Amino acid sequence: KNQVEQSPQSLIILEGKNCTLQCNYTVSPFSNLRWYKQDTGRGPVSLTIMTFSENTKSNGRYTATLDADTKQSSLHITASQLSDSASYICVVSPSYGGSQGNLIFGKGTKLSVKP
Amino acid sequence: EPEVTQTPSHQVTQMGQEVILRCVPISNHLYFYWYRQILGQKVEFLVSFYNNEISEKSEIFDDQFSVERPDGSNFTLKIRSTKLEDSAMYFCASSGLAGSKLGETQYFGPGTRLLVL
Repeated sequence: KNQVEQSPQSLIILEGKNCTLQCNYTVSPFSNLRWYKQDTGRGPVSLTIMTFSENTKSNGRYTATLDADTKQSSLHITASQLSDSASYICVVSPSYGGSQGNLIFGKGTKLSVKP
Repeated sequence: EPEVTQTPSHQVTQMGQEVILRCVPISNHLYFYWYRQILGQKVEFLVSFYNNEISEKSEIFDDQFSVERPDGSNFTLKIRSTKLEDSAMYFCASSGLAGSKLGETQYFGPGTRLLVL
């Protein structure tokens, strides 16, 4: 069964610190993996998207890594800010073709950045 | 920056009533999606739509659900006879500029919170 598992479920860090969020997936065939940021009550916002041939992708203070052999990904946030407080969701696309449709979402890691 | 918009932001309805959720995708996008998120749970795929027809749908998307692109800008999700368990946040998303490569980013709207009483 296609699944996306994330850890930790929640995380509290101090402003300015770094953190790493983990994602394991069992999706096959695999097309791409995305990390989204979701603020409470809002829609997810894309941070990174990686195909199976990419190992790392950065977007400002966010760096995602992907190991397609072990089916693991991580999202590293450097120099955290209060505005980073949100849920970070790992999303895997098993589809090929233009539709990309059936994205499989993890439950997310709820990050709280404290002053 | 272009964005996906959704209306209404909140909808309260009685069980058994029909609801229509509306979305305006980003102009020039070709692929459209509906997702739902029950409170406290993960986002779930409902349906994808391309070239005026459904391209994929999940098990959740049963006969009570339908989608339509009635004109060049709107994309709607209709629930014919709502049930209590349909209460959720419904997100619309769009992606894919003409000629884009596979795996283009999906842009999500702010969501419609549906409450069925």
